[in-house]
Amino acid sequence: GPKVLQIPSHQIIDMGQMVTLNCDPVSNHLYFYWYKQILGQQMEFLVNFYNGKVMEKSKLFKDQFSVERPDGSYFTLKIQPTALEDSAVYFCASSLEQGAETLYFGSGTRLTVL
Amino acid sequence: QQKVQQSPESLIVPEGGMASLNCTSSDRNVDYFWWYRQHSGKSPKMLMSIFSNGEKEEGRFTVHLNKASLHTSLHIRDSQPSDSALYLCAASMGYRGSALGRLHFGAGTQLIVIP
Repeated sequence: GPKVLQIPSHQIIDMGQMVTLNCDPVSNHLYFYWYKQILGQQMEFLVNFYNGKVMEKSKLFKDQFSVERPDGSYFTLKIQPTALEDSAVYFCASSLEQGAETLYFGSGTRLTVL
Repeated sequence: QQKVQQSPESLIVPEGGMASLNCTSSDRNVDYFWWYRQHSGKSPKMLMSIFSNGEKEEGRFTVHLNKASLHTSLHIRDSQPSDSALYLCAASMGYRGSALGRLHFGAGTQLIVIP
């Protein structure tokens, strides 16, 4: 079936550094999402993105976070600067149409901030 | 406060048995439900969705929804070892929440099917 790829699967960085998480969505999908899962807790919605713009973001999407998808390349989540509480697994998802019915998730990137 | 609660946290059933997983929304606005399955180290994959009162069956999987109590359950009959996974319940604030892809996830039920 369709696959969303997330690269890398693990990333370790020092607090205060910048990190970019990459997501290769399903090729013809138009809507993109990031979710965050802190260890032992549930996945939580961060942001959704369509046509080059953020459509909605949660209160977890701090000012230090940004997303973009330049010209059909990777959909990225950038955190600058990182903080200890950013340590989590970040899941990317994409969908062809609006609606959770067609969401496909990646397997996540585990980010560790030291 | 978590909007979606799942029980039990873990469940062990013998091969061929019935597994029953529960999920409840604590927010009356969160009333569209999905069930996802996530094998270890893999991506969550949607199993079934349910938006109306009643029951929906697909193969060995059946979901129920009671909108009055905002309770949904997933039942897996003739459980197989390959069904061993983390089962996630997700819900949205109606159609609009669904349209935005904004899902509220529970913490999951870890199902283990013993051969």
